[in-house]
Amino acid sequence: SYVLTQPPSVSVAPGQTARITCGGNNIGSKSVHWYQQKPGQAPVLVVYDDSDRPSGIPERFSGSNSGNTATLTISRVEAGDEADYYCQVWDSSSDPVVFGGGTKLTVL
Amino acid sequence: QLQLQESGSGLVKPSQTLSLTCAVSGGSISSGGYSWSWIRQPPGKGLEWIGYIYHSGSTYYNPSLKSRVTISVDRSKNQFSLKLSSVTAADTAVYYCARESVEANWFDPWGQGTLVTVSS
Repeated sequence: SYVLTQPPSVSVAPGQTARITCGGNNIGSKSVHWYQQKPGQAPVLVVYDDSDRPSGIPERFSGSNSGNTATLTISRVEAGDEADYYCQVWDSSSDPVVFGGGTKLTVL
Repeated sequence: QLQLQESGSGLVKPSQTLSLTCAVSGGSISSGGYSWSWIRQPPGKGLEWIGYIYHSGSTYYNPSLKSRVTISVDRSKNQFSLKLSSVTAADTAVYYCARESVEANWFDPWGQGTLVTVSS
């Protein structure tokens, strides 16, 4: 089955840039979606199709995808960005909806 | 604004069947271009997709759960449902319903989630 690998945690100071990676075999050939989940809340879609933002999501959130790594970039990080972030793809040859294990973003 | 709301039993005994319903408001479950999914999250763990249903009634399940899962739709009530049979403690989780893009397979929006505990 297809596996997405995320770092368990990322820490960043307020105002700096956070980069959260999502690794997968030839993930650049797939569309990657990213979700933000704050404690006790449902996930929220923050980036879809590698780099598009749903309405209402700040421009500080951006995404890229190439080769074996997709990246969610959060610029000018704020305390309110502290959350778990999950990447997700569709893989018709396996489960087929696959989520990464999640990355906890800590704002120092 | 489309909203989804889960409801159902919060406590299920081992070997019994878990039953949940997701009510959709602010839009029609028969809208083209979308399917309707169930996703779960064990306490302190990551997300696991369970399956989805189209408004036509066709379904697609996670192979690891397929033998125990049934998802159905009630277009007259604008809702869809999940049944998971022969539950064990490993099925204890927060269960979410969500709308899924058929074209790109992203999930948005999600319901608030409901905790289901499997215990005797």
